[in-house]
Amino acid sequence: GAGVSQSPSNKVTEKGKDVELRCDPISGHTALYWYRQSLGQGLEFLIYFQGNSAPDKSGLPSDRFSAERTGGSVSTLTIQRTQQEDSAVYLCAISGLYTDTQYFGPGTRLTVL
Amino acid sequence: DQQVKQNSPSLSVQEGRISILNCDYTNSMFDYFLWYKKYPAEGPTFLISISSIKDKNEDGRFTVFLNKSAKHLSLHIVPSQPGDSAVYFCAVARGRGGTASKLTFGTGTRLQVTL
Repeated sequence: GAGVSQSPSNKVTEKGKDVELRCDPISGHTALYWYRQSLGQGLEFLIYFQGNSAPDKSGLPSDRFSAERTGGSVSTLTIQRTQQEDSAVYLCAISGLYTDTQYFGPGTRLTVL
Repeated sequence: DQQVKQNSPSLSVQEGRISILNCDYTNSMFDYFLWYKKYPAEGPTFLISISSIKDKNEDGRFTVFLNKSAKHLSLHIVPSQPGDSAVYFCAVARGRGGTASKLTFGTGTRLQVTL
């Protein structure tokens, strides 16, 4: 919705493998966020990027998680050596220059077997 | 420790009646409050927001009330419609006006509007 696409929509992987999740927002946004929703839980903040500032990584649960945003647009969330507890829906959101309202993509459902 | 709580995991309301969803937060530094609605297999959709300088904001059938002293937020939907059936998340933030700020979400309330 609101100009944010995510891929893949579903990802099934084996424990120990690395995965990359992609967020492709429309241009013109200034901030990009990653959240995840584990089963039965609310959305949990992971990381956000704003402009050229250093990203706020305070929500990343471990050093197996990393994210980058290339060219101020597309973002990739990488999870190394996936664990079963990483299974969740990973959501990307963007906000614009004059509003803090965050608009979410459809999410990637990650299942780690 | 959960900073944002939605104590009712589910709520069932008859079509045409009022739905009231509640949210409590612990940190008085939060100054921007939002409600999102989520359908299965979709990302959350923004519904309505309120800043701490107000105590009410209305948009059509949706009204958000903020009680800062009680650190309580509520969403009223009236009249409720079957299409409102979804999971509703409240979210809080510190800072706004162009400053990126992470949202802290509640665990959600599943609303079912019955015929």
